[in-house]
Amino acid sequence: KQEVTQIPAALSVPEGENLVLNCSFTDSAIYNLQWFRQDPGKGLTSLLLIQSSQREQTSGRLNASLDKSSGRSTLYIAASQPGDSATYLCAANSGNTPLVFGKGTRLSVIA
Amino acid sequence: EPEVTQTPSHQVTQMGQEVILRCVPISNHLYFYWYRQILGQKVEFLVSFYNNEISEKSEIFDDQFSVERPDGSNFTLKIRSTKLEDSAMYFCASSQGTPNQPQHFGDGTRLSIL
Repeated sequence: KQEVTQIPAALSVPEGENLVLNCSFTDSAIYNLQWFRQDPGKGLTSLLLIQSSQREQTSGRLNASLDKSSGRSTLYIAASQPGDSATYLCAANSGNTPLVFGKGTRLSVIA
Repeated sequence: EPEVTQTPSHQVTQMGQEVILRCVPISNHLYFYWYRQILGQKVEFLVSFYNNEISEKSEIFDDQFSVERPDGSNFTLKIRSTKLEDSAMYFCASSQGTPNQPQHFGDGTRLSIL
């Protein structure tokens, strides 16, 4: 049974810093891994999807990497801004099956 | 860009009452999902739906829950007799159906059971 863990649970950084959020999964037989952003009381916004055959995927200041063999993914945020403050969730997809989510990392970027 | 839309955004219901949560998936998508998130906890899978039938369900999805696609556009989740512990954010998602495609989520319905 797939389990997804995210560390740290919370992170506070000053504006402008680069930061890394970590995600680990127990079953490496995944098709892809999706990173989401969730603002308080709101829905899930898909940020990046990284395929199992890819090692990384980039969108603007965000870069996600995937290492299936070690069961890890990272989300790198460059030059963080206060508007990046949110909870970041990763979810593992093993095909046309339910996503398995981590509990998220709550990010605060301080101006 | 096409979106998954959910209504209502917030539903307040007395314990024991029936509630129906509505979703309009993205039009060319084939797989539909319901997830829920209890406050402070992980997003959890409830049920997936494909080709007009349930394809997979979790142990949370017991006899009080049902899903339906009553027409070509809507996808509903019904909770027959709500309990206090059903209070949560309920998310609908859809995907095109190939394994390498992302699931797209709606903004959710916040269900509060009194």
